[in-house]
Amino acid sequence: LAKTTQPISMDSYEGQEVNITCSHNNIATNDYITWYQQFPSQGPRFIIQGYKTKVTNEVASLFIPADRKSSTLSLPRVSLSDTAVYYCLVGDGGAGSYQLTFGKGTKLSVIP
Amino acid sequence: DAGITQSPRHKVTETGTPVTLRCHQTENHRYMYWYRQDPGHGLRLIHYSYGVKDTDKGEVSDGYSVSRSKTEDFLLTLESATSSQTSVYFCAISAGTGVDDEQFFGPGTRLTVL
Repeated sequence: LAKTTQPISMDSYEGQEVNITCSHNNIATNDYITWYQQFPSQGPRFIIQGYKTKVTNEVASLFIPADRKSSTLSLPRVSLSDTAVYYCLVGDGGAGSYQLTFGKGTKLSVIP
Repeated sequence: DAGITQSPRHKVTETGTPVTLRCHQTENHRYMYWYRQDPGHGLRLIHYSYGVKDTDKGEVSDGYSVSRSKTEDFLLTLESATSSQTSVYFCAISAGTGVDDEQFFGPGTRLTVL
């Protein structure tokens, strides 16, 4: 089973760029790395997903090095509404049934 | 928002009783998932389904069973609830071609086992 590690919490001021890194091992070359955002009392919400190098959408960027042992979610110019818990999710298509492993989450607090 | 509902939204039950949680989708998506979320553990996969009658176990499947007799419904059953199964349960759906594609999550069911 893939193991993931994320920082427990981070603080940032409004308008700054925030980078959250997830370390993960035992993921296959064809498995996605995905990030989700979760607000209190809600289900997680998809942010971004990628296999390798860099992916960018309208809300975030995802950086994945060649060895795929980590990934970094980058949030440009955060606002108070970005205060939430952020999770990485990796797939593990190794032996047995396919597994999906969430990190334990990084609580981001954005300060005015 | 994706058409996904969970019922009930809250439930309190006693140890040893059977409990069934329902996930219903209106999107006709292929993949459906059940997760539990606990403080300090994040989200953990219980079971997932890749089609009608096609299911597979996740990381924490012991004590849980699932059934999917129709595309739109995915049921999670606790045959004999225990206090360790007190948790928030999330259902998710995905229209992707792979089990790790983008998922849409339901609002969650808060289950308390006394």
